[in-house]
Amino acid sequence: NAGVMQNPRHLVRRRGQEARLRCSPMKGHSHVYWYRQLPEEGLKFMVYLQKENIIDESGMPKERFSAEFPKEGPSILRIQQVVRGDSAAYFCASSPEWDIYGYTFGSGTRLTVV
Amino acid sequence: AQTVTQSQPEMSVQEAETVTLSCTYDTSESNYYLFWYKQPPSRQMILVIRQEAYKQQNATENRFSVNFQKAAKSFSLKISDSQLGDTAMYFCAFMKLIGTASKLTFGTGTRLQVTL
Repeated sequence: NAGVMQNPRHLVRRRGQEARLRCSPMKGHSHVYWYRQLPEEGLKFMVYLQKENIIDESGMPKERFSAEFPKEGPSILRIQQVVRGDSAAYFCASSPEWDIYGYTFGSGTRLTVV
Repeated sequence: AQTVTQSQPEMSVQEAETVTLSCTYDTSESNYYLFWYKQPPSRQMILVIRQEAYKQQNATENRFSVNFQKAAKSFSLKISDSQLGDTAMYFCAFMKLIGTASKLTFGTGTRLQVTL
């Protein structure tokens, strides 16, 4: 089992460009969570998705950020028109239904906006 | 909303000694879970130990143990026989289950340095 796979590991974008971050959950996991870690801070919840559904997006900024978890393929976190303040590490985690102990994190994507 | 507070930004301990990291939280929930995660420089989030709020017995995992005081809303981590590989950021986290949802609320972390 390859674990939670995130790519790319590092991503550099110029201000105003779009950033797409990918997350492939562990095999058999139907829940995906995205977190953001600003420098020298803890992780902050952004969004929780199940296949084709957004369950909780209470931590997502209202503008420029969106997330999806299609029936086929990885979950995508999309940031449009990036600004310097979006520079952070973005972590994905996945879990199977009804098993919080299966909660597993990926290695994160570090986004740098220049 | 739940909050998690880690009041020690940095800690240092000598190899083979014991260190305790503090964590307090605020919630009105009665059923929840608490975790300690380790984040080494590689950035990977590694689960160290977990505790169910309904269990009175403190969780133990090899050299790692917790002191869970539910009434005081305190959840400290004790690392015994510290090793150089324990050097990392440590995050305390709270989880409230909403149906099958399980989002985590993290503290701001404690940077632990293990020295020779």
